[in-house]
Amino acid sequence: GQQLNQSPQSMFIQEGEDVSMNCTSSSIFNTWLWYKQDPGEGPVLLIALYKAGELTSNGRLTAQFGITRKDSFLNISASIPSDVGIYFCAGQLTGANSKLTFGKGITLSVRP
Amino acid sequence: NAGVTQTPKFQVLKTGQSMTLQCAQDMNHEYMSWYRQDPGMGLRLIHYSVGAGITDQGEVPNGYNVSRSTTEDFPLRLLSAAPSQTSVYFCASSPEEFDNEKLFFGSGTQLSVL
Repeated sequence: GQQLNQSPQSMFIQEGEDVSMNCTSSSIFNTWLWYKQDPGEGPVLLIALYKAGELTSNGRLTAQFGITRKDSFLNISASIPSDVGIYFCAGQLTGANSKLTFGKGITLSVRP
Repeated sequence: NAGVTQTPKFQVLKTGQSMTLQCAQDMNHEYMSWYRQDPGMGLRLIHYSVGAGITDQGEVPNGYNVSRSTTEDFPLRLLSAAPSQTSVYFCASSPEEFDNEKLFFGSGTQLSVL
């Protein structure tokens, strides 16, 4: 089946630094999504991408849909302590029986 | 707005016990789903429903049952709990299937099976 790879499993950065995460797949997707999960809560959608090459921003977050349709990137600029959490990517094909496939997530820690 | 409400927040079971995880949404969403989250793994789909009276299996359905008698509620039943079902369970809903920008998750139920 389809698999999404996110690595490393954990990242540690200093407050104010930028951080970049990527997500790769052996299969192509038509939609890429990035979620954040705070401790004790469910995932919340950050950014959705629908077109190869698309670059979308949401505040300090920027995500890109890779042109090969097999990868996506999320950048967080000027990190702050509340950026702490688990960041998941998810991919989806369109059409019948096409469910979201989630990556394993990257746990981000931000040192004040 | 309550959104997606899951109860209980925490639960400990003994092997072989049964229980029901509750999920309710007040957004009149047709699509509802259950996921499990295990350490080092992505969310995996257990069961889903595209509307009242309709349910279907996801990626990891074994050991779980669901029903959808109303639009609002989508309970997940464990008939005979096993230690392998220790996990965090998330319910999610959206207006329609594949409407991912409007897929909202509950805050989860942490289940331990001893």
